[in-house]
Amino acid sequence: QKEVEQNSGPLSVPEGAIASLNCTYSDRGSQSFFWYRQYSGKSPELIMFIYSNGDKEDGRFTAQLNKASQYVSLLIRDSQPSDSATYLCAVNFYGNNRLAFGKGNQVVVIP
Amino acid sequence: SAVISQKPSRDICQRGTSLTIQCQVDSQVTMMFWYRQQPGQSLTLIATANQGSEATYESGFVIDKFPISRPNLTFSTLTVSNMSPEDSSIYLCSVESQGDLSRFYGYTFGSGTRLTVV
Repeated sequence: QKEVEQNSGPLSVPEGAIASLNCTYSDRGSQSFFWYRQYSGKSPELIMFIYSNGDKEDGRFTAQLNKASQYVSLLIRDSQPSDSATYLCAVNFYGNNRLAFGKGNQVVVIP
Repeated sequence: SAVISQKPSRDICQRGTSLTIQCQVDSQVTMMFWYRQQPGQSLTLIATANQGSEATYESGFVIDKFPISRPNLTFSTLTVSNMSPEDSSIYLCSVESQGDLSRFYGYTFGSGTRLTVV
């Protein structure tokens, strides 16, 4: 069964610090990887996606992909209170636009 | 990226009834996806809807319970039939966003429908 794991509990970080989120996936054939942010009561909004091994940066966000280890992470630099949300990792296992989501990690940025 | 208008935003329904959720996209898209997000849980894909063909349902979801229509390339509906309290969830539609020269911009979600079955 294709799985996406986000095992960490709620993450509290002080304002200005780096928040680090991790995600592992079960299928080595996975092709693309997405990070979404979801505020309470709102729908998910895409932060960024990554296809290739290595790092991809977009503003304060950096996604890191290691296909050999089946691992994708998200770093949030200079965390702001507005970054307080649940972060969802999603993986395209099937190559046909269908996404499998992890359970999400809640991030709380403390002013 | 694509903009999706989803309605209703929320509803409270009696058990045994049905609710139809609509999603309108501001551009033509090949596939539309319907997800469910149960309270405190992540998103689970219900089905993929292609225009002109039957929707493809994921394991655990059946057409009789979640019939889907896809009459054109900008619109889809999901019906939650014969509802029970276990159907209380947020339902979301999603599409692939593409720009000029078919550049991929990721998957965009509608604003969601918060359904409560009493």
